[in-house]
Order: sequence, then structure tokens, then C-alpha cells
Amino acid sequence: DTGVSQNPRHKITKRGQNVTFRCDPISEHNRLYWYRQTLGQGPEFLTYFQNEAQLEKSRLLSDRFSAERPKGSFSTLEIQRTEQGDSAMYLCASSPRHLGGGYTFGSGTRLTVV
Amino acid sequence: ILNVEQSPQSLHVQEGDSTNFTCSFPSSNFYALHWYRWETAKSPEALFVMTLNGDEKKKGRISATLNTKEGYSYLYIKGSQPEDSATYLCASYTDKLIFGTGTRLQVFP
Repeated sequence: DTGVSQNPRHKITKRGQNVTFRCDPISEHNRLYWYRQTLGQGPEFLTYFQNEAQLEKSRLLSDRFSAERPKGSFSTLEIQRTEQGDSAMYLCASSPRHLGGGYTFGSGTRLTVV
Repeated sequence: ILNVEQSPQSLHVQEGDSTNFTCSFPSSNFYALHWYRWETAKSPEALFVMTLNGDEKKKGRISATLNTKEGYSYLYIKGSQPEDSATYLCASYTDKLIFGTGTRLQVFP
């Protein structure tokens, strides 16, 4: 297992376009998390899954954001009608249900909305 | 304290200096406190997961302490090296991690 993989690494899109990011977690991990990080801030929680069930979604997340984890494996995060304020680093992490070793993060997807 | 707070926001030290950072977190409903190290262009890497009041963990030159009753944790780096330059994040865990804003450390040769 090569760790948590995120694609693409970078995405530049025009305002109003839809974008989709993918995260492949560590295969034995049943929990998967999405975070967003902007300059000068720590990672901000967006949503998380246990297997295929989405257990929580941040109230800060608008309806333009949706995430799925079909079959409890990889996950996708889609942003519809992107806005300039969506520009950020989107981080994915996975963990086993019991957190003895912490989260394993991917390298993130850097989104720039122009 | 409702949020996870870290101080200082940034720190510049000379190689060989020892340094420490502070993390404050809500002490009610505490479950675990995590420390991560995030180097530029890399993934955040877990340093410590701490659960017990009074716990102290060590990894090489880096150590951390935990006070769950008053809601704070300290991270210490002994004899800082340029390769220690990174952002150090702490996070409080209940059913998910809530992160502080991080302390950005730069170590100059």
C-alpha cells in the first residue's frame, strides 16, 4: 500500500465550472475524511465517511459541495459552480476506526479558481 | 476554550536552539490530542497521539506533554535543525480532528 493518494495534485478552473477530486485511502482504513486548508489557517473539517456511510458534513459546507464514497473504497469530492473563495488545498485522510496511530493524509489537491 | 488554538503563529530560530510551542484545546469531552508535522509540498505526518493526562511522548529530539484538565499541550524540539522547518499542527479528536492554525517553524543554519 502506497498510502493515501489524491488526484489531481493541482487544478485550475474558471469560476462557475464544476470540479471533482478523487481520494484513494489506505485499503484497511474504514474512515475517510475531507479537509480544506487556506493560507494561514489549519485544515478545516468538511466531511467524513465510515465505510460508505457519510457520517457528518460541516455546516460551513454549502450545497455546492458533495462527497461520495461508493463501496467504501475511494471517495470523490465535487464542487459545483466554483467560486473564487473555493480556492484552497483540499486534503483527504484515512484512519482505522480506532485512532492509535493518527490519520494518514494525502498530498492534497490545490484548487485555484480564476 | 471553544476552538483549538496554537501559539506562536510563527517562530524563527537558529540551528541548535531548543524551542517549544503551545496548543490549547477544549478540556470538556476530551478524547485525544494529536500533533502533526507538515513540510511544504508534503503530506501532514502524525507525530504523536496522546490520550492520558500527564502523558509525555518522545520521538528523537521532539517531545510533547499533555494536560487534559486545563486543556493544553506543549511540543518541544531540542537542538533544532534546518530539517525541522515545517508547520506543526495540533488537533483535538472527538469523532473527528479539529485543527489549530499551526505554528510555522523556520530554523536557520
